Formats: sequence, structure tokens, C-alpha cells
Amino acid sequence: DSGVTQTPKHLITATGQRVTLRCSPRSGDLSVYWYQQSLDQGLQFLIQYYNGEERAKGNILERFSAQQFPDLHSELNLSSLELGDSALYFCASSVSQENEQFFGPGTRLTVL
Amino acid sequence: GNSVTQMEGPVTLSEEAFLTINCTYTATGYPSLFWYVQYPGEGLQLLLKATKADDKGSNKGFEATYRKETTSFHLEKGSVQVSDSAVYFCALSGGVSSASKIIFGSGTRLSIRP
Repeated sequence: DSGVTQTPKHLITATGQRVTLRCSPRSGDLSVYWYQQSLDQGLQFLIQYYNGEERAKGNILERFSAQQFPDLHSELNLSSLELGDSALYFCASSVSQENEQFFGPGTRLTVL
Repeated sequence: GNSVTQMEGPVTLSEEAFLTINCTYTATGYPSLFWYVQYPGEGLQLLLKATKADDKGSNKGFEATYRKETTSFHLEKGSVQVSDSAVYFCALSGGVSSASKIIFGSGTRLSIRP
């Protein structure tokens, strides 16, 4: 158990819908990262937050957004969903941006 | 910018065989290097790490040595087990550019036959 929790574990929805994925980092970790893992594209970095502020952006679509709240939990919002958004979404946390990251168990999103 | 290149899979070995998964990197300065493992149905877990040249990271029988002269961090294990079947990711962070995220390689799927 990494100490990072993600909810829900599974999510099935339809094209055009909007979903919110939630992540609680390990106690004491200030950085939260979001990744998308699909079969054909491997692990893609989406976005990082540090202590409530956006720190780095990766291959995140404009339809996707995220935020980190004062209690350090984070949410990833995915809107206008497309079939190609079906993937595993992982959250990770770390003490600082150069330390190892600890990954949550992931949320499997299926868009029908 | 920083990048990581690792051996393409899938790699299939028999139990007790010797394993090497190659990883090379491009970075300025002195990044930290990591190997992560992803078992079926789970998230990534840190397997081992090295933070400076010539450091050797080790865990669960796996080893990797930070080689600055060859910009490599190859993963090795002397005798693999069926339970080692997983996807392995090489990664780096830091360096002169101080990238604010860890950069992962594309992953190598390892399957061990009994």
C-alpha cells in the first residue's frame, strides 16, 4: 500500500459526459501528479500540482483540468469525453518534485 | 530536454534465467535515476533508485548501477521468478534543467515462464 488513494476504482460513462477523479496523496506529500496510461501510448504525464499551485503541464488536453485543494487532495476533471479517453488514470505524490513518486492504484475509465 | 530510452518488450524468459533490461538516458547535470515496476492490475511501485554516478540501487534481487560515462541504468537480476512478471519503467528526475516531473521510459513488459 503506497498511501495514495484514488476514487473511484472503476468508472463507466458515455461519450460527451463529464467525470471527476479524486486523489488523496500520502500524508506529508505536497506534490501531486496525474498520469494517463493507455495500451497504445504507455504512461503519459498530464499535470503536476505543488502545495495547491500548478507546477508543470504535460500532454493534457484542454478538455481536462485539475486542481489541488488546501487539504492537498486533488481532482482531475475530464469533460466532453471521447472513446479515446478510455484509460487508466493514475495519481502519484511525492515530498518534493525531485523525490521518488508514490502511485495510487488508479481509476479505470471506460467511455462507451 | 531530458529523455529516457529503454529496451522494447515484451521480454519472455524461463524461470531462473538472468535478466537485463537496458535503459539509457539523456540529461544535463546529475539527474536521479529510478526503476519502477507495475504488477498486473496495480499502480507503479518504486523498485530501486540511484542519485549519483556509480551508485548501485538494489531491491528484491534486482540491481542497477548509475553509469554516467555510458548514460545508462540497466536493470539486472540473476535468477528471475514467475512473480517478477510485470512491466518495468526506467525514469529520471532533476539534472540541470530541474524538470519538475519525473520522465518515464515507455516500459518493458516481462513475462517469466515456469
